[in-house]
Amino acid sequence: KNQVEQSPQSLIILEGKNCTLQCNYTVSPFSNLRWYKQDTGRGPVSLTIMTFSENTKSNGRYTATLDADTKQSSLHITASQLSDSASYICVVSLAAGGTSYGKLTFGQGTILTVHP
Amino acid sequence: DGGITQSPKYLFRKEGQNVTLSCEQNLNHDAMYWYRQDPGQGLRLIYYSQIVNDFQKGDIAEGYSVSREKKESFPLTVTSAQKNPTAFYLCASSPTTLRAFFGQGTRLTVV
Repeated sequence: KNQVEQSPQSLIILEGKNCTLQCNYTVSPFSNLRWYKQDTGRGPVSLTIMTFSENTKSNGRYTATLDADTKQSSLHITASQLSDSASYICVVSLAAGGTSYGKLTFGQGTILTVHP
Repeated sequence: DGGITQSPKYLFRKEGQNVTLSCEQNLNHDAMYWYRQDPGQGLRLIYYSQIVNDFQKGDIAEGYSVSREKKESFPLTVTSAQKNPTAFYLCASSPTTLRAFFGQGTRLTVV
């Protein structure tokens, strides 16, 4: 069964500190992995997207890594801000083909709370 | 993400009633998706459509129905057969597997 597991479930940090969120997946055949930020009651917003051949990608203070061999990804947030408080969702996409084209598998998300 | 509009933002329904959630996109995307989000759970796929006049059941399609008569629109009907419809519903569209754009969501509450 294709699964995406995220850890930790929730995380509390102080403003200005760094943190790392983890994502492990068993989705196959793998197409790409994305990290989304979702504020409460709103739709997810894309942070990064990585294909099989990419190991790292940055978007401002967000840096995502991907190890396709071990099927692990991480999202590192540097110098956290209060506005970083949100749910961070790891999403893995199946490769195109057959009836599963474009099917996305979502992790449960990590709820990050940044305190002043 | 812009280009996808879900309406309404909040919706209340009496038990036993059908209700339709709207999702419109002006991004010219072929694929559209409906997801349900419950507290403590990841987004779960209800239905998806790869092209106009075609759609496929997702993981939790029971109690839901969709139509795709136009490329821009993918409405979701929550029927009275859905036993636990209170949830946050998200619509998404995608040109390829590389990127998905999400609407702002509709929170449905059964009263």
